[in-house]
Amino acid sequence: NAGVMQNPRHLVRRRGQEARLRCSPMKGHSHVYWYRQLPEEGLKFMVYLQKENIIDESGMPKERFSAEFPKEGPSILRIQQVVRGDSAAYFCASSPSGGVGELFFGEGSRLTVL
Amino acid sequence: EDQVTQSPEALRLQEGESSSLNCSYTVSGLRGLFWYRQDPGKGPEFLFTLYSAGEEKEKERLKATLTKKESFLHITAPKPEDSATYLCAVQATTDSWGKLQFGAGTQVVVTP
Repeated sequence: NAGVMQNPRHLVRRRGQEARLRCSPMKGHSHVYWYRQLPEEGLKFMVYLQKENIIDESGMPKERFSAEFPKEGPSILRIQQVVRGDSAAYFCASSPSGGVGELFFGEGSRLTVL
Repeated sequence: EDQVTQSPEALRLQEGESSSLNCSYTVSGLRGLFWYRQDPGKGPEFLFTLYSAGEEKEKERLKATLTKKESFLHITAPKPEDSATYLCAVQATTDSWGKLQFGAGTQVVVTP
């Protein structure tokens, strides 16, 4: 019974490059959420997606960041033209429905921007 | 503005020494309050959801309680394996499902 799978676990990029983080939700889950944890800060909500729909992107930076959850395949968080301030742990969570309750988190993808 | 404040920032306990962690919150309308545990280099692991003042939930050595302004996580007779960062999060009625506002966490170290 696989949990939320994120890859890569660690990613190193130079300033100006693109970073793509992938998330496969738990089996049977159709709701995906991305959170960011900056060094010495708490987890911050970024975006909530259902298959082929962005439900809430109120936590996404206005530029360079985008997310998708296609009909087939994993959810992707894409960061274009990365800067040092993007260095953080990015966590994906999933839930079977959009109701209140437990979010199942993945192990995270740790992005380091040189 | 909605806010979640956890205290203390860090807590060092001897094995068997019970203690409580505090989570104070300010939110326009509370849909739910969540406690998670996070080990270094790992993702948060769900512990409890509380929905209304007066509610309590227990799991092994942990007990979570909720009032209108704060929540407590009581750790009874902790063991070294209880060492972790404990995160509190709230979901507001004005926010979408799954949008949680997390506190900064309390780092707990339990020594043998």
